[in-house]
Amino acid sequence: SYVLTQPPSVSVAPGQTARITCGGNNIGSKRVHWYQQKPGQAPLLVVYDDSDRPSGIPERFSGSNSGNMATLSISRVEAGDEADYYCQVWDSGSDHWVFGGGAKLTVL
Amino acid sequence: EVQLVESGGGSVQPGRSLRLSCAASGFTFGDYAMNWVRQAPGKGLEWVGFIRSKPYGGTTEYAASVKGRFTISRDDSKGIAYLQMNSLKTEDTAVYYCSKPTSTIAVSGGMDVWGQGTTVTVSS
Repeated sequence: SYVLTQPPSVSVAPGQTARITCGGNNIGSKRVHWYQQKPGQAPLLVVYDDSDRPSGIPERFSGSNSGNMATLSISRVEAGDEADYYCQVWDSGSDHWVFGGGAKLTVL
Repeated sequence: EVQLVESGGGSVQPGRSLRLSCAASGFTFGDYAMNWVRQAPGKGLEWVGFIRSKPYGGTTEYAASVKGRFTISRDDSKGIAYLQMNSLKTEDTAVYYCSKPTSTIAVSGGMDVWGQGTTVTVSS
């Protein structure tokens, strides 16, 4: 089965850019979606199809995907961005959705 | 307002059954697949399965961890998706979310609407 690998944690100072990675075999050939989840809340889609943003998501959130790595970038990080972030892809080989293990973003 | 509301969670003994419901509003339910995703305490998101919309055959897919025990169904006339969980195990303890795909093409665009979740606890 397809595996997505995320770092367990990422730390960044306020105002800086956070980059959260998601590794997978030839992930560049798939469309990657990213979710933000704050404690006690349901996940929120922040980037879909590698780099598109749903309405209402700030432009500070952006995504890229190439080769074996996809990246969610959050510029001008704010305290309110502190959350768990999950990447997701559709694995056509198994007809399954796959989530990464999640990365906890800490704003220092 | 587009909304999903789960219900039916609770505490149950191992080996027993439980049925969760996901009531949809604010969109044409029959046009979309519906997903179930769970999150065990302190753990990450785990996709459970989904049911395609009728135009795409209404068929289902399941994660290996629940295949043969869980069944997803839908009632388009009521705008409700169901998750029938049989032979429950302690490791099925989790918050269960239903979610709507962004696109009517079920595997495109991620999941843009989520319910608030319902908690299932499996314990003796």
